[in-house]
Amino acid sequence: DAEITQSPRHKITETGRQVTLACHQTWNHNNMFWYRQDLGHGLRLIHYSYGVQDTNKGEVSDGYSVSRSNTEDLPLTLESAASSQTSVYFCASSLNRGLLGGEQFFGPGTRLTVL
Amino acid sequence: SQQGEEDPQALSIQEGENATMNCSYKTSINNLQWYRQNSGRGLVHLILIRSNEREKHSGRLRVTLDTSKKSSSLLITASRAADTASYFCATDVLPSMNRDDKIIFGKGTRLHILP
Repeated sequence: DAEITQSPRHKITETGRQVTLACHQTWNHNNMFWYRQDLGHGLRLIHYSYGVQDTNKGEVSDGYSVSRSNTEDLPLTLESAASSQTSVYFCASSLNRGLLGGEQFFGPGTRLTVL
Repeated sequence: SQQGEEDPQALSIQEGENATMNCSYKTSINNLQWYRQNSGRGLVHLILIRSNEREKHSGRLRVTLDTSKKSSSLLITASRAADTASYFCATDVLPSMNRDDKIIFGKGTRLHILP
């Protein structure tokens, strides 16, 4: 069955370190998204991609970067981790173009703690 | 209020009763979606409703959209213990001269079904 996976599921890192969170989907979806979820804020969009070599900034993109070299993967990199980036990160993918043009399929999440 | 803001923030009802959650937004949208999130899990898509639609059904779920009032409601009929979860609405904000298109998730309604 097609799925979307994230790794690692839990990560503890130190301030200033570079961290990369992986997201892999086998739906063959063109669209992929990264969100963070914090208490009191709901989900906030970090970056998104509509296809290979396409990346776009979301609402809270500062301090994060993504690259899309193939259809299946959209890794999220924290260039220099900060305590404010402690959060739960969700990756999602969808088939239809547009931010909400179709159903988004979410991964299980990565809980990141920055000490 | 924020774009895509749900109310109530929390709701407890007896099993078998109907649950109604509301979502308000402030700017014009293309699409509105409702998602469910069980504790510690990713989000699961429930229903997509487009701006030219007024009502959609899916099993025990009924979603309405009133673009004149910039609001949507999610009705879950004959609630079950398994419906205990957080429910989020998501809206896409149409781009304008001063703003890129963006997606906004609300902070969610925590629904608890009492046995």
